[in-house]
Amino acid sequence: DGGITQSPKYLFRKEGQNVTLSCEQNLNHDAMYWYRQDPGQGLRLIYYSQIVNDFQKGDIAEGYSVSREKKESFPLTVTSAQKNPTAFYLCASSAGLDIAKNIQYFGAGTRLSVL
Amino acid sequence: EDKVVQSPLSLVVHEGDTVTLNCSYEVTNFRSLLWYKQEKKAPTFLFMLTSSGIEKKSGRLSSILDKKELFSILNITATQTGDSAIYLCAVPNNNDMRFGAGTRLTVKP
Repeated sequence: DGGITQSPKYLFRKEGQNVTLSCEQNLNHDAMYWYRQDPGQGLRLIYYSQIVNDFQKGDIAEGYSVSREKKESFPLTVTSAQKNPTAFYLCASSAGLDIAKNIQYFGAGTRLSVL
Repeated sequence: EDKVVQSPLSLVVHEGDTVTLNCSYEVTNFRSLLWYKQEKKAPTFLFMLTSSGIEKKSGRLSSILDKKELFSILNITATQTGDSAIYLCAVPNNNDMRFGAGTRLTVKP
């Protein structure tokens, strides 16, 4: 089945620990995105990538890092510098690069909690 | 500052009711507005609107955009329990996507 797969569904982070959230897509989409969703707030863009080996910061990139070594994969690392990491993280992809014209398709999300 | 504001934040109705969800925006370089439905985890696409006054329709759902007054509405007629979800409005701005906080709709049997 074509789609976006995020793993794990639930993740716990200890103090000072880096954790990596996986996002894989088999839609052959060029662009991929990471969002953070907090209760009562809209989704906020963390990072996006329009091409392999290139990515750009979104509104709230501090404390996060990404890589795009393969077209189908866009992992997000939540570093120890992110002091409030508890949130629901959503990965999305779109076929084209123009964000205003191309629909984003979302994965099922990863819920990260701090121990 | 660019912003997208949805109202109401929460709505409880009974099956068969008609609901109207609102999304107002202030975004430079407006080009489109999108509606998504988030039932449990993954938001799913509903509509993309680019032109004022042209209604988009899919079954019991419809949406329209007013670029002069800077808002969009999402209508759901004859609501069903399966319509219970968070409805998200989003407006792209340059390479960013500005989302509203969402409207949580609960449809009771």
